[in-house]
Amino acid sequence: EVQLVESGGGLVKPGGSLRLSCAASGFNFKTYSMLWVRQAPGKGLEWVSSISPTSDYIHQPDSVKGRFSISRDNADNSLYLQMNTLRADDTAVYYCARLRGSYPDFWGQGTQVIVSS
Amino acid sequence: DIQMTQSPSSVSASVGDRVTITCRASQDISGWLAWYQQKPGKAPKSLIYAASSLQSGVPSRFSGSGSGTDFSLTISSLQPEDFATYYCQQAYSFPLTFGGGTKVEI
Repeated sequence: EVQLVESGGGLVKPGGSLRLSCAASGFNFKTYSMLWVRQAPGKGLEWVSSISPTSDYIHQPDSVKGRFSISRDNADNSLYLQMNTLRADDTAVYYCARLRGSYPDFWGQGTQVIVSS
Repeated sequence: DIQMTQSPSSVSASVGDRVTITCRASQDISGWLAWYQQKPGKAPKSLIYAASSLQSGVPSRFSGSGSGTDFSLTISSLQPEDFATYYCQQAYSFPLTFGGGTKVEI
């Protein structure tokens, strides 16, 4: 059974940093691209970062470029999102998801990030 | 960036109704479109990819159609567990973008 379990969320002050993790199981992690998607309170879905199986290709929207960094450890079946210089508008639930081809097919349950003083 | 516009933003329906949600892309995305279902407090669930292909395990009452700029998601006979918010997403180019969502409610 495919499972994705996010962790690392919490309350952080503006300007602070946080590192999210996503533990994958039930599939051959090293052969799949992965991504992070977030959802601000009461809002829609926003793509945050994508990474290819061997980390050769990374894509991010301008809203997080230079502040967020996606990485993975295929030996440990783990995906990460390093978030620096956090702002109030980064407050959201962050989901990791598996990409099958170009489409997310399985999603984790999410981890809450709150940026507030 | 490719803008995705869903309509309506909400729809009231009853069990057994046929419901259609539309999604329009700001430019031609061929068939590079996915649909997701999200219930309150839960993660999104993937329903359809490549505009019309059903994800494994998704009931056949869900169907997707369209290409180019205009797409639709149809629920042929609404079930109680289908009351949720639905999102479309283009996978044609980065940045990946989602529609604003359509809430299906009683």
